[in-house]
Order: sequence, then C-alpha cells, then structure tokens
Amino acid sequence: RKEVEQDPGPFNVPEGATVAFNCTYSNSASQSFFWYRQDCRKEPKLLMSVYSSGNEDGRFTAQLNRASQYISLLIRDSKLSDSATYLCVVNNGFQKLVFGTGTRLLVSP
Amino acid sequence: DTAVSQTPKYLVTQMGNDKSIKCEQNLGHDTMYWYKQDSKKFLKIMFSYNNKELIINETVPNRFSPKSPDKAHLNLHINSLELGDSAVYFCASSLGTAGGELFFGEGSRLTVL
Repeated sequence: RKEVEQDPGPFNVPEGATVAFNCTYSNSASQSFFWYRQDCRKEPKLLMSVYSSGNEDGRFTAQLNRASQYISLLIRDSKLSDSATYLCVVNNGFQKLVFGTGTRLLVSP
Repeated sequence: DTAVSQTPKYLVTQMGNDKSIKCEQNLGHDTMYWYKQDSKKFLKIMFSYNNKELIINETVPNRFSPKSPDKAHLNLHINSLELGDSAVYFCASSLGTAGGELFFGEGSRLTVL
C-alpha cells in the first residue's frame, strides 16, 4: 500500500462549482498534514496546513480524520486559476514529508 | 530575490556522463532537500541535510552524491547517468527538520539521451 494515496483525476468542473479531494495515508504515526499546489511545469507550493480541528482559508477548507486516516480539501466557487495539481503531503514521523501523486483539477469557463 | 535557486534549469546529456545541479537558499533555513519528480509526477525525497549533516538518504543509487558545503547550499552530483535518471529534480528547504513547510526551487529538468 502506498504511504499516501490520491485519486489522480482529472476532475473537470465548471467555474463556480464546489469540488472535493480526498487523500488516505497508511502510517498511523503521521503527525502533520498539508495540501500543496503544483502548477504545470512549476514547483510545488504550500496551499495550507491541515489541523485536527479542520481549518478554512477563504474558499478552501481542509479536514483531517485520524481514525480513518484521510484528509480532504474542499474548494468552493472554483476559479479558472484554481486549475492545478493538488498534492496531499504527510509527515510520516521520520522527519520527512511524503507526497501523494496529486489530483489534477481543471476548471473550465 | 529568489528564495531557493537551483541551476541549471535544463540539462540534456548523454548516458554515461557525469553532471551536477547546484542549489542555494537565502531563507536562513537549517534543512535542505533533494526531491525527484518522475514522468508520472510522483515527487519522492532523495536526501535531506540539516546544518550540513546528512539526515535522510532514501535508498538512492550511490551514483547520486549530495554535498553541502554550508547550510545555505546543497549540490547534487550524478555519475554515470542512466536513461531512468531523466526527471525533474527539485531542491527545497525548511526551517527545521520536523517536516514543516517546504520551499522549493523551480526545478532542474534533466533529460538523459
């Protein structure tokens, strides 16, 4: 089983739609969780950290479910500029961040 | 002013050659990394250094040799390049070793012919 698993997509949604991505992780000792965004042929950049209580940043909401070992990212009111690959990232407890393969989002007019 | 810069951005070379990629960060971070992103976009850690000391070495062939002359620099030397080494190599840095936010360079796209 992969350490971090994501649906690769692509998710094709119209502008204004709400879209959700899930990610599962295998190591129950994982301590911290993040969503990164990677645009085509660019470097990954931190989108948001994921806290146990859930957290929101504008149109983006992240949730963590430790019991089921998954995290989610919800994007409301999708914009064309949200088109990118969203990487689920988990600290596996050994001082390294493990990246999922990413979920590709395409927002169309 | 670029926070994490790596050179070269593009590298095309023949199998069997030796090449180096350089990385520098001006964020004052203690920890630097090399990640490899293959054609399937899977981003995998290769090495991590904290204050010039190697702390993570992820079953990478010994043809790959990182060098950290100081905590602001982490270079990657690759000997006897193989076709499978073609990928984008990302340098990154973070404030500590606890796996907090990573700041990535723009990547170095290596093509081995």
